[in-house]
Amino acid sequence: AQKVTQAQTEISVVEKEDVTLDCVYETRDTTYYLFWYKQPPSGELVFLIRRNSFDEQNEISGRYSWNFQKSTSSFNFTITASQVVDSAVYFCALSEAFNDYKLSFGAGTTVTVRA
Amino acid sequence: GAGVSQSPSNKVTEKGKDVELRCDPISGHTALYWYRQSLGQGLEFLIYFQGNSAPDKSGLPSDRFSAERTGGSVSTLTIQRTQQEDSAVYLCASIKSSLERNYGYTFGSGTRLTVV
Repeated sequence: AQKVTQAQTEISVVEKEDVTLDCVYETRDTTYYLFWYKQPPSGELVFLIRRNSFDEQNEISGRYSWNFQKSTSSFNFTITASQVVDSAVYFCALSEAFNDYKLSFGAGTTVTVRA
Repeated sequence: GAGVSQSPSNKVTEKGKDVELRCDPISGHTALYWYRQSLGQGLEFLIYFQGNSAPDKSGLPSDRFSAERTGGSVSTLTIQRTQQEDSAVYLCASIKSSLERNYGYTFGSGTRLTVV
């Protein structure tokens, strides 16, 4: 069974628009970790954030914000006032306590920001 | 080095040939991971090294795949008798220690393997 679902395959926005990327996860563990990674055209996966299952506080980092809701098993990511440099593939990932060296990735969402 | 270095960046090989993919992790990083990114399967875990040992090889797709790590540093992923379904981007990641793995791995840019 897929552990991480990113239902949006592609999103296209005009610069300065906000964009929200959905991530829904599935796990039986009470202790787990959620991640977001950015993959620009260069191909390198860039770590954006890690959140553990006991910390439901939302987080803001510059134009990026994350909304973690255990009740709906979601960990959504919003880019505010998008810029062309935000164009990339964004991956949500999960690691579970019993084998926390493995990341289970979602399929990714391709974000295209047009000038 | 400053980042995780992978070589070659691109590799085209004929079906049936063997290939070796190299990963040079960040200096001092004890844990190293290989992932595969393909169109049909997304990003898949292949293998994890802690030092020179590999506690979990369960992600390797078949016995044609093997990996080793020597000196707690460079790792080589070998694919024998390559098949077209092996075509993918092979990504390597490292972290300073297994205690830090949930803080985020540093990934390399990957090796794009094309089997023709």
